[in-house]
Amino acid sequence: AQSVTQPDIHITVSEGASLELRCNYSYGATPYLFWYVQSPGQGLQLLLKYFSGDTLVQGIKGFEAEFKRSQSSFNLRKPSVHWSDAAEYFCAVITGNQFYFGTGTSLTVIP
Amino acid sequence: NAGVTQTPKFQVLKTGQSMTLQCAQDMNHEYMSWYRQDPGMGLRLIHYSVGAGITDQGEVPNGYNVSRSTTEDFPLRLLSAAPSQTSVYFCASSYQRGGAEAFFGQGTRLTVV
Repeated sequence: AQSVTQPDIHITVSEGASLELRCNYSYGATPYLFWYVQSPGQGLQLLLKYFSGDTLVQGIKGFEAEFKRSQSSFNLRKPSVHWSDAAEYFCAVITGNQFYFGTGTSLTVIP
Repeated sequence: NAGVTQTPKFQVLKTGQSMTLQCAQDMNHEYMSWYRQDPGMGLRLIHYSVGAGITDQGEVPNGYNVSRSTTEDFPLRLLSAAPSQTSVYFCASSYQRGGAEAFFGQGTRLTVV
C-alpha cells in the first residue's frame, strides 16, 4: 500500500535561515509526488509537483524539492525562510487520482 | 474563476442530527473527493467520484454518504452526526488523468456536540 511519512511534526526556524522538510514515501512504481501548503484556516495550495525527468523541481514562493529514488524521499527546501512561510506543509503521493497525504509538518518562523 | 467552493465554512451539530456539506467546482473536473483533516493524522479520504453517477469509498467512509448527479457538485451527507465526526472537511477536484493536481476548497469546520 502507498504511504507517506513526514517524520517531523513541528519545526521552528529563524527568519532568513534555510529550511528542509522531510518526506519519505512507499510506492512500488515511479510516484507522482506533491507538496502542499496550508495556511491557518485555509485550504491546501500546491507548492510543487514531481512527475518525471529532472529530480530537482522548482515551485512557487521560492520552494524547491528533490526526488531521490534511492532514498524514497522528496524533501522540500527553501534557502531563506520568510515569516509568511509559517504554515502546515503536506507531502502527498498519488496513484490514479487518489492522494495519500503525510501527517504534515507545522512550521514556525521566529524573528 | 471560483475554483472549488465549499459551504458552510462552520457548522455546529447536535449528536444524531443530519446535514449536507456542499461542494461545487467550476473547472469541469471529472474527479472529486472529500477528505477529513484531524490533528496528527493528515488528510484522510472519505469518498470520491470519477464522474457523474459514479462514486466510491475511500479510507474512512462510515457515517457518510455521497452522490454525484452533476459534474459540478459533490455533496457529502452526514446521516446521524457523532462527536467522532468533529473535524475539518475538505473537498477537492482534479482532472481525470494520472498525476493531475488537486484543487482544494477552503474547508468546513464541523463540530458535533
